[in-house]
Amino acid sequence: GENVEQHPSTLSVQEGDSAVIKCTYSDSASNYFPWYKQELGKRPQLIIDIRSNVGEKKDQRIAVTLNKTAKHFSLHITETQPEDSAVYFCAASFRNNNDMRFGAGTRLTVKP
Amino acid sequence: DAGVIQSPRHEVTEMGQEVTLRCKLISGHNSLFWYRQTMMRGLELLIYFNNNVPIDDSGMPEDRFSAKMPNASFSTLKIQPSEPRDSAVYFCASSLGGSGTDTQYFGPGTRLTVL
Repeated sequence: GENVEQHPSTLSVQEGDSAVIKCTYSDSASNYFPWYKQELGKRPQLIIDIRSNVGEKKDQRIAVTLNKTAKHFSLHITETQPEDSAVYFCAASFRNNNDMRFGAGTRLTVKP
Repeated sequence: DAGVIQSPRHEVTEMGQEVTLRCKLISGHNSLFWYRQTMMRGLELLIYFNNNVPIDDSGMPEDRFSAKMPNASFSTLKIQPSEPRDSAVYFCASSLGGSGTDTQYFGPGTRLTVL
C-alpha cells in the first residue's frame, strides 16, 4: 500500500552540527511534502513544506530537498541547537493527492 | 485565530465507560482529521471529513470507535466501550481544503487514559 518510510528513527548530534532526516514515498503522483516538529507533550507543528514543482526550499537553518525521480525527500537542519531536540515527522500526499500519510518519526537529540 | 481547539485535554476513565472527545476546526477550514498517537504505533490517521462528509474511515480500529461532524466547525470522536488499549493521545487537525496538498494544523491533543 501507499506509505512513507522515514530514517533514522533516532538521531543524536552535537550542538552546532548538522542533522539530516530522510524519507521515501511510494506514490509517484505525490506532490506535497510537509515536515512537522513535535516537542515533548506538544502538538505536531509544521516547520517547512515543499511542493513538487521545486527541488529545494530553505528557511533560515532548515531546508528540505526533493528528488521526485527517486521519490525521496530530506530535512536538513544546520547549526543545531538544543531547542531543536524533538520528534520530526515527514509526510506526503497520496491517492491522487486526496490524502496524506505520515512517516514514523525521527527523535532528534541535540547535545549541548 | 484560536487554532484548532480540543477538549478535554486530559481524560481518565475506567474500562467499559464511554468517552467523547471534541474538536473545533479553524474558522474557514473544510476538512477535519482525527489521529491517534502511541509510542508503539506512532501517528495513525483514524478518519477524516471533508465538508462534513466522512471520506475515509479505514483507520478506525473497531466498531467501538465512531466519529461525527454535526456541523461545519465541530466534530466528536466517541469510544464505547473504552478499553485500556485505547489509551493514547488523540489529535484532531484541520485544513483549508479537502486534498492532501493542504497543510494540516493540529490541535493540542487529548491524552486519554483508560484504566
